[in-house]
Amino acid sequence: DTAVSQTPKYLVTQMGNDKSIKCEQNLGHDTMYWYKQDSKKFLKIMFSYNNKELIINETVPNRFSPKSPDKAHLNLHINSLELGDSAVYFCASSPIAGGNTGELFFGEGSRLTVL
Amino acid sequence: GDSVTQMEGPVTLSEEAFLTINCTYTATGYPSLFWYVQYPGEGLQLLLKATKADDKGSNKGFEATYRKETTSFHLEKGSVQVSDSAVYFCALSDRRGYSTLTFGKGTMLLVSP
Repeated sequence: DTAVSQTPKYLVTQMGNDKSIKCEQNLGHDTMYWYKQDSKKFLKIMFSYNNKELIINETVPNRFSPKSPDKAHLNLHINSLELGDSAVYFCASSPIAGGNTGELFFGEGSRLTVL
Repeated sequence: GDSVTQMEGPVTLSEEAFLTINCTYTATGYPSLFWYVQYPGEGLQLLLKATKADDKGSNKGFEATYRKETTSFHLEKGSVQVSDSAVYFCALSDRRGYSTLTFGKGTMLLVSP
């Protein structure tokens, strides 16, 4: 069983479209995250949720809207896609808020290509 | 704010060579330090960690020592294998309230037979 699973793994779409990426974790963790990895492999936190509540919201365009229907799921919806949104998006989870244990469990990533 | 600086890659080595990937950090307080590894096509995995000064983290032959005086956490391995080819990320986590990992830009390691 995959611990942190994301769908879809690949997503190719046109500028201006709206798309969603789903994430589910079966580890029983309370905290989930979205990270963006650009073409140079740089990873940056976008959002973090603890028990369905938003706790971290970095400087991300409001075209990006996370939704956490329950603590095992954190979805990412992106409106009006732009070329610069092309990246690999990683979902992650951790057993306690704040990531102080340092062990984040990552999904395999969702590669978004905007044409 | 907090930041992590890693050496630029790619680092290209022959099998059984000695590996060092440099990492330095800037943080207020007393962060915990981590190395994560990303194999091709996969998500990141925790490789090792150290939570206080002079701690040494180790795993799979890799080691890193938390050096507060030089604000460094260099990754080393005595003899690399082809299967170690991956991207390595240094990261820190501060201990204040809700926080999350700050990653370095990653260093690609390529090991040839």
